[in-house]
Amino acid sequence: AQSVSQHNHHVILSEAASLELGCNYSYGGTVNLFWYVQYPGQHLQLLLKYFSGDPLVKGIKGFEAEFIKSKFSFNLRKPSVQWSDTAEYFCAVRAGTGGYNKLIFGAGTRLAVHP
Amino acid sequence: GAGVSQTPSNKVTEKGKYVELRCDPISGHTALYWYRQSLGQGPEFLIYFQGTGAADDSGLPNDRFFAVRPEGSVSTLKIQRTERGDSAVYLCASSLIPLAGVGNEQFFGPGTRLTVL
Repeated sequence: AQSVSQHNHHVILSEAASLELGCNYSYGGTVNLFWYVQYPGQHLQLLLKYFSGDPLVKGIKGFEAEFIKSKFSFNLRKPSVQWSDTAEYFCAVRAGTGGYNKLIFGAGTRLAVHP
Repeated sequence: GAGVSQTPSNKVTEKGKYVELRCDPISGHTALYWYRQSLGQGPEFLIYFQGTGAADDSGLPNDRFFAVRPEGSVSTLKIQRTERGDSAVYLCASSLIPLAGVGNEQFFGPGTRLTVL
């Protein structure tokens, strides 16, 4: 069965620090990859997505993610975080067969940015 | 409306009771999904509708859970004989089309927090 692993459950950073959140998935076929964010008191919002083409994907608010097929990874990065980036971040994969339309989520990474 | 809406936002019930959770997808979105998010976990797939039919209900945990979408728009998730372990946030999402490619991203609602005492 497909699965998604997010290695860091809690991350604490100071403003202006760089961010990298790890995400690995287990599926050998075609995948669509997503990062969702949930700000405190708000619903899940899409940060960025990868379907095909350039493996470096740029999203909203200065976030980017790189799809490395050989490593089954889709890590999220931001060069300089802000206090407003405090949120929970979820990596998700939509697999190519047998459950093509559902998203499989990781357990999430809770990010706290201190001023 | 502009986004996916879910009602109620909170539901507290007693063990053994029946509950219904409602989802209004974005207008024109043919695909609708239900997920469940337990504390400290990511959302977990329950069921997917394409139009009025349940195309994939493999995530429903047991036969106490049932969902309908009779007119291809609003959906209701129904839970019979609720148990304390059913306590979670139930999320609904919709997408324009269910297939791969641009346009199939899922937009999530705010969720219904269900507490079973």
